[in-house]
Amino acid sequence: GAGVSQTPSNKVTEKGKYVELRCDPISGHTALYWYRQSLGQGPEFLIYFQGTGAADDSGLPNDRFFAVRPEGSVSTLKIQRTERGDSAVYLCASSPSPRYSYNEQFFGPGTRLTVL
Amino acid sequence: DAKTTQPNSMESNEEEPVHLPCNHSTISGTDYIHWYRQLPSQGPEYVIHGLTSNVNNRMASLAIAEDRKSSTLILHRATLRDAAVYYCILASDNAGNMLTFGGGTRLMVKP
Repeated sequence: GAGVSQTPSNKVTEKGKYVELRCDPISGHTALYWYRQSLGQGPEFLIYFQGTGAADDSGLPNDRFFAVRPEGSVSTLKIQRTERGDSAVYLCASSPSPRYSYNEQFFGPGTRLTVL
Repeated sequence: DAKTTQPNSMESNEEEPVHLPCNHSTISGTDYIHWYRQLPSQGPEYVIHGLTSNVNNRMASLAIAEDRKSSTLILHRATLRDAAVYYCILASDNAGNMLTFGGGTRLMVKP
């Protein structure tokens, strides 16, 4: 079946611009996660949705970052006034339910964001 | 969150077993031990998880110490396709099931 997809695969933007990154989770998965991975480091948690609501946004670095999931499936990560330090790979993951610790997360291939 | 410690890198020969260690001395009773791996230019993928007992699946085996303060991921016969960064992660029920990745172990497989 189809896995998690993310678009675009690459995004190059200029400092100060606004960007949107899209995630299509596996159909039926209620939990959706965004992570950010800088070069040479492990992924870092940003935000987690259960259904349409953001259940935990403690990883968002500042108020320039915002994410939505209006219908409980597709999610969009929005970054305002981009800075060079925002350059990273943004990963999305989904899982069937967040209720139990042992629920596997399925990751997409990521969007590589470069801010010039 | 409880933390894990892994070697930065390891090397293996193709078709030989690989033992990837992970220390997690502050693990709590409800923490599951998860292993994910990340191949070059891809998102992480689940490998295996366990709570107390050793676990086997088609990809690997997970050996968990009796006191649960360490674990070992075992690849029985390494292939070139197993070259990746392997992450050992503790996930507890009260963390929203988010995964806290450390630096992982970069496994290099020599032909």
